[in-house]
Amino acid sequence: NAGVTQTPKFQVLKTGQSMTLQCAQDMNHNSMYWYRQDPGMGLRLIYYSASEGTTDKGEVPNGYNVSRLNKREFSLRLESAAPSQTSVYFCASSDQLSGNTIYFGEGSWLTVV
Amino acid sequence: AQSVTQPDIHITVSEGASLELRCNYSYGATPYLFWYVQSPGQGLQLLLKYFSGDTLVQGIKGFEAEFKRSQSSFNLRKPSVHWSDAAEYFCAVASRGSARQLTFGSGTQLTVLP
Repeated sequence: NAGVTQTPKFQVLKTGQSMTLQCAQDMNHNSMYWYRQDPGMGLRLIYYSASEGTTDKGEVPNGYNVSRLNKREFSLRLESAAPSQTSVYFCASSDQLSGNTIYFGEGSWLTVV
Repeated sequence: AQSVTQPDIHITVSEGASLELRCNYSYGATPYLFWYVQSPGQGLQLLLKYFSGDTLVQGIKGFEAEFKRSQSSFNLRKPSVHWSDAAEYFCAVASRGSARQLTFGSGTQLTVLP
């Protein structure tokens, strides 16, 4: 019963390096999301994908790109990492068939030095 | 734009005491409302949700929340707190559009004293 799976769980990057966070869900959900969590700020939406083939910016999209590879997978890419992108990243998914509930992965801890 | 306010950054209660965590939202219509809990180093677990109907909703782990339209509030309650309830709690609202974009409050950290 995997649900939403994110990799890697932990990553340290140097400023300017690039990396991709992977996310996959096995619940056949249409919508997928990427959030970042910072102390005292709750979770903020970076990008979302309402359905396969579509992506849209959320509240804090600068410095990120996303790809909805297929219905299951939604990746988040940092092209040139900055210390301000040190955060915990959460992938999530939802669907009307899930009662419109949004399910979260366990998070990816990213540190940019 | 929708927004969520959790006015209490940190709450401390004794084990066995009652608990109420406050949540106020700003939205043009009635949104979908959620409470999530996050233990240290973990992801978010859904406690309960309100979409429509009965304004008092029951969730997991003995939690409940009441939607009050007139006050734009969705406060979380538990009659008797257990030490295992110590965690961070997030209130969230979602639009009723095709993609359920969640807007989160900044969270309330709950400490439970023995």
